[in-house]
Amino acid sequence: DQQVKQNSPSLSVQEGRISILNCDYTNSMFDYFLWYKKYPAEGPTFLISISSIKDKNEDGRFTVFLNKSAKHLSLHIVPSQPGDSAVYFCAAFAPANNDMRFGAGTRLTVKP
Amino acid sequence: DAEITQSPRHKITETGRQVTLACHQTWNHNNMFWYRQDLGHGLRLIHYSYGVQDTNKGEVSDGYSVSRSNTEDLPLTLESAASSQTSVYFCASSRQGGSEQFFGPGTRLTVL
Repeated sequence: DQQVKQNSPSLSVQEGRISILNCDYTNSMFDYFLWYKKYPAEGPTFLISISSIKDKNEDGRFTVFLNKSAKHLSLHIVPSQPGDSAVYFCAAFAPANNDMRFGAGTRLTVKP
Repeated sequence: DAEITQSPRHKITETGRQVTLACHQTWNHNNMFWYRQDLGHGLRLIHYSYGVQDTNKGEVSDGYSVSRSNTEDLPLTLESAASSQTSVYFCASSRQGGSEQFFGPGTRLTVL
């Protein structure tokens, strides 16, 4: 049973435009959410996170939005750059039982 | 610089063989994790450890075991490799109470 879902396996955008990656979760015990970025033949690297007490967190070109009532979060990349082309994993963490679950990932391609 | 390494990076083995994948981190993190990454499933937790002598089963632990004799290492053993265990394996670590995990570069395992 997938508690964290990324329903878009792939996304293609033009350089300079906005990339929006979406993630849904089912378990209301999740309290902290993270996005990881993964290049081929490398391990995932942490990108940005958000606590459930916030609805937005911004770090440079990357912004994560959280809608708790909808159990939905999204990652916005503005402007998108070719170097952003990677697989992005959404993760949700439940501190009560130290449970971390990952989505299946979305492959982002940014075209020059 | 602190880091997390995995060895080997690539391994081919035969069904029924015992295989051990190594993971070593120099961050002095208490928490260590093993995941497998398969298409359509994202990262799934196999086993995890919150300290020396502590090990716990994750979402997909059948056929795998781990041991934690020191802070730095968490080897993953496939007791009798099966073709279904062909995957890319990632080790990760995090500080005590922390949710951000740092990942190794991965081991691609093929079971023939």
